[in-house]
Amino acid sequence: DIVMTQSPDSLAVSLGERATINCKSSQSVLYSSNNKNYLAWYQQKPGQPPKLLIYWASTRESGVPDRFSGSGSGTDFTLTISSLQAEDVAVYYCQQCYSTPPTFGQGTRLEIK
Amino acid sequence: QVQLVESGGGVVQPGRSLRLSCAASGFTFSTSGMHWVRQAPGKGLEWVAIIYYDGSNKEYADSVKGRFTISRDNSKNTLYLQMNSLRAEDTAVYYCAREAAAVWYFDLWGRGTLVTVSS
Repeated sequence: DIVMTQSPDSLAVSLGERATINCKSSQSVLYSSNNKNYLAWYQQKPGQPPKLLIYWASTRESGVPDRFSGSGSGTDFTLTISSLQAEDVAVYYCQQCYSTPPTFGQGTRLEIK
Repeated sequence: QVQLVESGGGVVQPGRSLRLSCAASGFTFSTSGMHWVRQAPGKGLEWVAIIYYDGSNKEYADSVKGRFTISRDNSKNTLYLQMNSLRAEDTAVYYCAREAAAVWYFDLWGRGTLVTVSS
């Protein structure tokens, strides 16, 4: 199984500041035939199901604010929130969909400083 | 509207069985691969099982293989998870989720149903 490791486990950022969450996979999730990284990011607020934010490592899901962006390739990925808003307080997960079973990172808890 | 609604959770003793359902609406269920993903209390997300759009193929996490069975009824727009020989470590919120465009990331989630395995 591909192991997904996120860092940090928790993060406190001031409103309006940048938040950066990292995700590392134990093997590459880049599919060479289509040059796509099979990596997604989700946001989960308390008491709610996860919500898809980013897929293909850098494509924003419809309706997701453009302050959320994804980057990276191969084994190293980053989710960036350019200007933190109060409603962004949540746990964020990365997930690989390159191979079975699909696996998630352990989550990163984002709070307001 | 486009939604998934799970039901069937509850408290069950170890070794017993439970069947979860997930009712889909607002989209063409019969063309979507569907998954179950679970989340133990205070923990992260764990993929459980997938069933292809036509039911032709199913795959399971090692942790549930041989005990859980995923199925679907496209005429009823409903996904199921039959859970047998339940263990304490199966205690979790179970989400059904729709995969996006035959790729195993999930663009639609239900609100989940809580399964508690306890004597």
